[in-house]
Amino acid sequence: DQQVKQNSPSLSVQEGRISILNCDYTNSMFDYFLWYKKYPAEGPTFLISISSIKDKNEDGRFTVFLNKSAKHLSLHIVPSQPGDSAVYFCAASAEGNTGKLIFGQGTTLQVKP
Amino acid sequence: GAGVSQTPSNKVTEKGKYVELRCDPISGHTALYWYRQSLGQGPEFLIYFQGTGAADDSGLPNDRFFAVRPEGSVSTLKIQRTERGDSAVYLCASSSQGRNNEQFFGPGTRLTVL
Repeated sequence: DQQVKQNSPSLSVQEGRISILNCDYTNSMFDYFLWYKKYPAEGPTFLISISSIKDKNEDGRFTVFLNKSAKHLSLHIVPSQPGDSAVYFCAASAEGNTGKLIFGQGTTLQVKP
Repeated sequence: GAGVSQTPSNKVTEKGKYVELRCDPISGHTALYWYRQSLGQGPEFLIYFQGTGAADDSGLPNDRFFAVRPEGSVSTLKIQRTERGDSAVYLCASSSQGRNNEQFFGPGTRLTVL
């Protein structure tokens, strides 16, 4: 039962262009969503988050969009840089629980110079 | 300041053996989480500590898995009678009190059960 799904295992974009990573969820109790970035042999690092009361949150080159009716969120990276090449995980947590995160399977982003 | 540290970084053991994995959270963080990441998957929640107590252990796969945090700081994940299916990267994360506070992850312990 995969409650958070990232259906694209990999994505390749050219430096300077936009990267769009997608994530779908099934649990309507989720009210807080996060994106984490992971380099090999390191733990995931927090990138950006969004509460369910918003539909957009922006931080520099990174913007997360939330469509609650579609149970879909996306991460936009503009402009993409080679250093952005990593695995990106979407995660969600539900109101009333302990803050435990439910992760998607990850999308490997490669930004080509 | 120092981040979350985990030891050992790699552990190779034989089927049926007992292993302990250690996590040192960021100083002052009261919340501590353990996750397990299998190849090609995202991290999967195992257990959550608030202070010394396990507030949510719903992710532990069976009774071979146990975790402690006796003084509210360092935590140890213990796996008895290891099986080949336990092979994974075990991640620890800590955060300040508060549900939506950022979780800071350690680099993980790669466990291989032969």
